[in-house]
Amino acid sequence: QQQVKQSPQSLIVQKGGISIINCAYENTAFDYFPWYQQFPGKGPALLIAIRPDVSEKKEGRFTISFNKSAKQFSLHIMDSQPGDSATYFCAASMWGAQKLVFGQGTRLTINP
Amino acid sequence: ETGVTQSPTHLIKTRGQQVTLRCSSQSGHNTVSWYQQALGQGPQFIFQYYREEENGRGNFPPRFSGLQFPNYSSELNVNALELDDSALYLCASSLAPGASYNEQFFGPGTRLTVL
Repeated sequence: QQQVKQSPQSLIVQKGGISIINCAYENTAFDYFPWYQQFPGKGPALLIAIRPDVSEKKEGRFTISFNKSAKQFSLHIMDSQPGDSATYFCAASMWGAQKLVFGQGTRLTINP
Repeated sequence: ETGVTQSPTHLIKTRGQQVTLRCSSQSGHNTVSWYQQALGQGPQFIFQYYREEENGRGNFPPRFSGLQFPNYSSELNVNALELDDSALYLCASSLAPGASYNEQFFGPGTRLTVL
């Protein structure tokens, strides 16, 4: 019940296209859903996060869509650029909880 | 504002040895969490330290231990190293538990290789 399932494992998108990564969770107590971006040899960097009281959050080219009834959330990267090529992780947590539960990651490649 | 720093960057040990990894938290953060990231996997929570005490632990054996110091920096110690301990060890800092929605900011990690 603590798992977060992420798909796809890898994704190739053409420059200028839309990249979509999906995550699903089981634990309805989760109430914080961040996305992290990780480049090779680096630590994960917080990209954008959402709480279940909203269905969508947008920051620049990055948008999180959240479906509470389906227990799913997704990251959309608009106008994808080669610099967006990285591994993306979704995660989930509960208010006051100590840990983030991460998905397995999606390796995104943007072809120029 | 100073970000999360970790040392060393890389480390090579042999099976059975002990290792200590270090982390300095981001300015203004008093809570440190440690994660293990195996190659090709998402980070797995090891434990968290707050007010110099362990404040939650993941599914890791007791040979994984830690410390937090009065300046909020932290150490991760691993005894009796096993080959499967080879991974990227990540430190994340955050505000006090319950003070926020657990926004954790990660350091660059220490790459540990056990031979």
